[in-house]
Amino acid sequence: EVRLVQSGAELKKPGESLKISCKGSGYSFTSHWIGWVRQMPGKGLEWMGIIHPEDSETRYSPSFQGQVTISAAKSISTAYLQWSSLKAPDTAMYYCARLTDAPFPNVDYWGQGTLVTVSS
Amino acid sequence: QSALTQPASVSGSPGQSITISCTGSSGDVGDYDYVSWYQQHPGKAPTLMIYDVSNRPSGVSNRFSGSKSGNTASLTISGLQAEDEADYYCSSYTSDSTLVVFGGGTKLTVL
Repeated sequence: EVRLVQSGAELKKPGESLKISCKGSGYSFTSHWIGWVRQMPGKGLEWMGIIHPEDSETRYSPSFQGQVTISAAKSISTAYLQWSSLKAPDTAMYYCARLTDAPFPNVDYWGQGTLVTVSS
Repeated sequence: QSALTQPASVSGSPGQSITISCTGSSGDVGDYDYVSWYQQHPGKAPTLMIYDVSNRPSGVSNRFSGSKSGNTASLTISGLQAEDEADYYCSSYTSDSTLVVFGGGTKLTVL
């Protein structure tokens, strides 16, 4: 069974750093791109960027370039999303998602989400 | 790449059918048959309902069906049930470097 298990909810202050995780199991972690998705309160899904765990090739959507860092540790089948200095507008639910290994990939499995709250 | 365009909301009565559209362009929906649909209930993660335009994953009701014409993909839900009330998102493979583009989402209300 394919599973993506994310780290727990976080409450942080503006200016703090944060790294959340997404651990894959039940499939070959290094064969599939992993993406990160932001969902702000009451809003839609925003595609942030992707990483290929085999070689850590990373690509960012323009809105998120320079705002976050996506990384992966293939030895422990885990992808990460991190911020160096959080802001209040970063308050959102963050999902990781697996892309299919097809020639033209799309999202098939989702993590359960990590709620990040940034408040002074 | 711009987001795919979905109606903000649709509604229907129990037993009726509804269709949600998802309009893209060349470089995504128009050029590739790799459109997926996801259902998201409040407070829950999205789940895959349709992939590759019209295929249903195991366990998804056959009341859900997908199609595509030109730059527009569609999700049809027949025999509406109260449990279908949720947000629905489309996504497509895109030739853009990030590989995937999402729609803005559609809120389905079952009257």
